[in-house]
Amino acid sequence: AQTVTQSQPEMSVQEAETVTLSCTYDTSESDYYLFWYKQPPSRQMILVIRQEAYKQQNATENRFSVNFQKAAKSFSLKISDSQLGDAAMYFCAYRRFRSGGYQKVTFGTGTKLQVIP
Amino acid sequence: DAGITQSPRYKITETGRQVTLMCHQTWSHSYMFWYRQDLGHGLRLIYYSAAADITDKGEVPDGYVVSRSKTENFPLTLESATRSQTSVYFCASRLHRGGYEQYFGPGTRLTVT
Repeated sequence: AQTVTQSQPEMSVQEAETVTLSCTYDTSESDYYLFWYKQPPSRQMILVIRQEAYKQQNATENRFSVNFQKAAKSFSLKISDSQLGDAAMYFCAYRRFRSGGYQKVTFGTGTKLQVIP
Repeated sequence: DAGITQSPRYKITETGRQVTLMCHQTWSHSYMFWYRQDLGHGLRLIYYSAAADITDKGEVPDGYVVSRSKTENFPLTLESATRSQTSVYFCASRLHRGGYEQYFGPGTRLTVT
């Protein structure tokens, strides 16, 4: 069974600094997707970034980037130039790739990020 | 408004009562999902639906019932609420094809007293 582990329940970062959130996963599959979701105090879950396992290039979305290490089964999220609005709970998630049908999304337990002014 | 909505946003009920949480999406997404979010557990799938009239169990289905008579609606019913069902419930939807994201609703905070 797939598992997703976020070993940092809470982290903090100074505004304008860089922070990295860790995520490891366990799977026997070779094709899959990895996601980082952000959940601000409003509770709305928002997709931050997505990585396809077949792509060697790390995904980037503005100030958010990932370090995808497939062999190590590691998928960390780097937030550059942290802003107050980045304060939220961040969830790492995994989904096996199949062309059709339902594929379960497995979520980690989350990392709460505090941004210090 | 376009998107995925949930109602109510907050609900307090008593043990043993029946409660229905509503979910509505305007994208005509094939797939819809119900999750519950609890501290230390992340999000756990309760039920999902691949299309109208097609539903299936997730990780934690006991005590819940779903239906999907129309593509856009996916209500979740707690037939006899228990305190262990106190949680935040999220509805989500996804296109049929592609490995892409699920779009989440704003959540419903349910308290069972």
